[in-house]
Amino acid sequence: QAVVTQEPSLTVSPGGTVTLTCGSSTGPVTSGHYPYWFQQKPGQAPRTLIRDTTSKLSWTPARFSGSLLGGKAALTLSGALPEDEAEYYCLLSYTGARNWVFGGGTKLTVL
Amino acid sequence: QVQLQESGPGLVKPSETLSLKCTVSGGSISGYYWSWIRQPPGKGLEWIGYVYYSGSTNYNPSLKSRVTISVDTSKNHFSLNLSSVTAADTAVYYCARGPIFGVVDWGQGTLVTVSS
Repeated sequence: QAVVTQEPSLTVSPGGTVTLTCGSSTGPVTSGHYPYWFQQKPGQAPRTLIRDTTSKLSWTPARFSGSLLGGKAALTLSGALPEDEAEYYCLLSYTGARNWVFGGGTKLTVL
Repeated sequence: QVQLQESGPGLVKPSETLSLKCTVSGGSISGYYWSWIRQPPGKGLEWIGYVYYSGSTNYNPSLKSRVTISVDTSKNHFSLNLSSVTAADTAVYYCARGPIFGVVDWGQGTLVTVSS
């Protein structure tokens, strides 16, 4: 079973930029892993922000973007707002979508 | 806008079967993959499995021996059965909709506690 790794915690200043990453124990993350990114605030269900590496959903704020960076999937937040403080999870697909694996999550603090 | 609502017992005894249903409204079951995902209290997300509207399924290898996910297109709902539960299965269970490689729409989640 693959292990998907994320930074346990990150801090960004209001108005600042931060990049969260999502790595795989099996090797470089590629578009073939179809990376997804989710935001979860305390007591709420997750909300999907990014699908298929870079595609935003209709509700995704423009300040969020997805990419591949240095062999990992990445979520960049440009112009952080206090409301962006949350837990962020990535999801990777393996063996042709036969196995999905979530990362452990990154707790993002806006301070 | 599609809405997903989980329902089922909030308390299940050890060794019994956990059964949940997800009712889909505002959209059709057809053409999508329907997933179950869980989150133990204070922990991260874990994919349980998905069912395609045609009935084909795929499960997390670590849970495969205990999981069954099924779909009822006539009633616009899909279901999760998890057998031989233990305290480790205590979690918030989410149903979700998406394409084959992930999920886009989420239910609000339902807490299931395994305890005697």
